[in-house]
Amino acid sequence: DTAVSQTPKYLVTQMGNDKSIKCEQNLGHDTMYWYKQDSKKFLKIMFSYNNKELIINETVPNRFSPKSPDKAHLNLHINSLELGDSAVYFCASSQGLTYQPQHFGDGTRLSIL
Amino acid sequence: SQQGEEDPQALSIQEGENATMNCSYKTSINNLQWYRQNSGRGLVHLILIRSNEREKHSGRLRVTLDTSKKSSSLLITASRAADTASYFCATDAGTSGSRLTFGEGTQLTVNP
Repeated sequence: DTAVSQTPKYLVTQMGNDKSIKCEQNLGHDTMYWYKQDSKKFLKIMFSYNNKELIINETVPNRFSPKSPDKAHLNLHINSLELGDSAVYFCASSQGLTYQPQHFGDGTRLSIL
Repeated sequence: SQQGEEDPQALSIQEGENATMNCSYKTSINNLQWYRQNSGRGLVHLILIRSNEREKHSGRLRVTLDTSKKSSSLLITASRAADTASYFCATDAGTSGSRLTFGEGTQLTVNP
């Protein structure tokens, strides 16, 4: 049973399009995250939700909008995709906010043509 | 700005040897975590060490933390080819949310 699952695994699309990435966790965790990993493997937090409330909102363009319909799901919608959005996007979850390990999905590789 | 810096950026050893990776950070932390990332996969949590702890073990892994030097090390003993992966340290400053700040990672290659 996959603990944190993301769909799709690969996403290839044209500049200017709008796309969504979905994430689901079956660990019963109350906190979920979106990270962006660039081509140099640098991993940076984008958003975090705790019990469906946004608690971390890093400096990302407004074109990125997370949505958490329930504690088990956190989706990421991206409008007007740009070349610089090409990266691997990881979803993660944890139980609680501090002293907690995070469990990661296998990532969504987004390529903008 | 990036919190953690890891050293070395790449490490290549033979099976059976030990591998040591170092991580330095800049601000006070609540805890520090180490993760492994296999090629094309997500990160897997290895060890969490709290700021009041100095050393922690898990199987073949040993993590040390020196808060006075703002540094940590991960030692993998008796390495195996399956240990080939990128290893990241991540610091948790204990501020809003569980905001982990990741280092640049060390690419470990274990040759059979």
